Amino acid sequence: QKEVEQDPGPLSVPEGAIVSLNCTYSNSAFQYFMWYRQYSRKGPELLMYTYSSGNKEDGRFTAQVDKSSKYISLFIRDSQPSDSATYLCASPHMDSNYQLIWGAGTKLIIKP
Amino acid sequence: DADVTQTPRNRITKTGKRIMLECSQTKGHDRMYWYRQDPGLGLRLIYYSFDVKDINKGEISDGYSVSRQAQAKFSLSLESAIPNQTALYFCATSDFVAGATETQYFGPGTRLLVL
Repeated sequence: QKEVEQDPGPLSVPEGAIVSLNCTYSNSAFQYFMWYRQYSRKGPELLMYTYSSGNKEDGRFTAQVDKSSKYISLFIRDSQPSDSATYLCASPHMDSNYQLIWGAGTKLIIKP
Repeated sequence: DADVTQTPRNRITKTGKRIMLECSQTKGHDRMYWYRQDPGLGLRLIYYSFDVKDINKGEISDGYSVSRQAQAKFSLSLESAIPNQTALYFCATSDFVAGATETQYFGPGTRLLVL
């Protein structure tokens, strides 16, 4: 079992919808979490990060961590076609030189 | 100009050939990484380097080797390519500072096909 699990999708929603992207993790020692966005034929880029409790908001994006259920979410409000990308969650593993442990990524398609 | 560059962007090779993928960065970061990405499996770490003299194996290092020629350059070699090494390869750098959040910066990727 991977330490960070993520449904690969694809997830297809109409423009303007609220999108919910999710990951689960198994290691209770994970303390903060990142979301990276990867456009087609590009490398991933950091979208936002959050620590192991509560919400963090950045414009249309909200990252949420539920430590009790080991569940990480990224919400996108008023989704746009330009949000179409693969979204990867990751967390640094403190027992492995803080190497990032990655989810498989969820492909998101926003239909105009 | 891009901060992290990779060459070549695309490569087709045959089973048994030795190939090298190159990565250069202008960000001044000490840490550099090589990942491969396969559909449904996400990013898997091949090797990482914390500085020129410090190179470490990642999750899937078998069949690969690396060279850190300078702070700015980190090369990945496939000694004898095999078809299951067909994948998208990414180089990344990071600005790790103890106690702070690390951000990794990725290159554009090299698409490798081994026939």
